[in-house]
Amino acid sequence: GPKVLQIPSHQIIDMGQMVTLNCDPVSNHLYFYWYKQILGQQMEFLVNFYNGKVMEKSKLFKDQFSVERPDGSYFTLKIQPTALEDSAVYFCASSLGGGSAETLYFGSGTRLTVL
Amino acid sequence: QQKVQQSPESLIVPEGGMASLNCTFSDRNSQYFWWYRQHSGEGPKALMSIFSNGDKKEGRFTAHLNKASLHVSLHIKDSQPSDSALYFCAVSPMGYKLTFGTGTSLLVDP
Repeated sequence: GPKVLQIPSHQIIDMGQMVTLNCDPVSNHLYFYWYKQILGQQMEFLVNFYNGKVMEKSKLFKDQFSVERPDGSYFTLKIQPTALEDSAVYFCASSLGGGSAETLYFGSGTRLTVL
Repeated sequence: QQKVQQSPESLIVPEGGMASLNCTFSDRNSQYFWWYRQHSGEGPKALMSIFSNGDKKEGRFTAHLNKASLHVSLHIKDSQPSDSALYFCAVSPMGYKLTFGTGTSLLVDP
């Protein structure tokens, strides 16, 4: 089936540093998402992105967070500066269309550890 | 703010048995309902969707939706060890954002 690739699979950084999480979405998909999961528990929506713009974001998407997809390359989540509570697994997803009837395809996640 | 609660938190069924997972949601405007499955170390993968009240069957999996009761369920017939995973229901009104439930951890005991 369609594959979403996330790079790296693990990232360890010191608090206050910047981190960029990379996502290679399914090639013909137009909508992109980031979700946060702590300790194998609930998946929490962060943001969705279409046509170069953030469509919707949650309260978890703090001012220190930003997303972009320059020139059709990786869809990235940048956190600057990082905080201890940012430690989690971050999942990227993509979908062909933007409605809620569309299937989201998830990557395997990037485990972020902030020390 | 949409709240999506799942029960039970964890479930053990024997191989070949029936697993029943429940999900309640709070927003009466919810229109789209999904079940996702997540195996350890992987991202969630869509199992099935249900958008109309009633039952929807796909192979061993049957989803049931009752919007008036704010309830959706998933039943897995003839459970296999490979069904052992974390199951999430995900709910959305019109729009883009899916809200995931709290999850049910299913273990199928061979």
